[in-house]
Amino acid sequence: QKEVEQDPGPLSVPEGAIVSLNCTYSNSAFQYFMWYRQYSRKGPELLMYTYSSGNKEDGRFTAQVDKSSKYISLFIRDSQPSDSATYLCAMSGGATNKLIFGTGTLLAVQP
Amino acid sequence: GAGVSQSPSNKVTEKGKDVELRCDPISGHTALYWYRQRLGQGLEFLIYFQGNSAPDKSGLPSDRFSAERTGESVSTLTIQRTQQEDSAVYLCASSLDAGTDEKLFFGSGTQLSVL
Repeated sequence: QKEVEQDPGPLSVPEGAIVSLNCTYSNSAFQYFMWYRQYSRKGPELLMYTYSSGNKEDGRFTAQVDKSSKYISLFIRDSQPSDSATYLCAMSGGATNKLIFGTGTLLAVQP
Repeated sequence: GAGVSQSPSNKVTEKGKDVELRCDPISGHTALYWYRQRLGQGLEFLIYFQGNSAPDKSGLPSDRFSAERTGESVSTLTIQRTQQEDSAVYLCASSLDAGTDEKLFFGSGTQLSVL
């Protein structure tokens, strides 16, 4: 079993839709949870950063962490074609300094 | 520079040849990471450097892979006797420090194709 599981998609939604992206994980020591966005032929860029459980909102983006269920989510409201990218969850904590990434979900927002 | 710089952006090589990939981290960042991203897959950790500490090489897939870093500056990832399964995007990232809460800043990667 992978430490971090993420549905690779692809996920296709119409412009304006609410998008829900999710990851599950197995290591209960993880405490730092991040979402990266990766456009084609580019490196990942940090989108959201959350420590421990709870919600964090930044504009149209909301990150949620449920440590009891080992489940994290990223919501995108009023999705735009410019949001079309691969979204990677990443997490760290415990004995490791390394960020462990999910496989990424490919999102396409149709105009 | 303003961001992490990687070169070359694309590299095509023949099976069995050695390749060297370069990474220039953000100035002042003490931690540097190498990841590999195969087509349709997530990022696979390879190695990280933190200041003058011994690097964490636990992710290197075989002894054909090695990396060096000069102080807190440039890093090179070397792949000897390349194989077709080495074809991937190799991403470098840097962060201010190597704590578990550090935010990584990535370069655009080197697309390696082994024919």
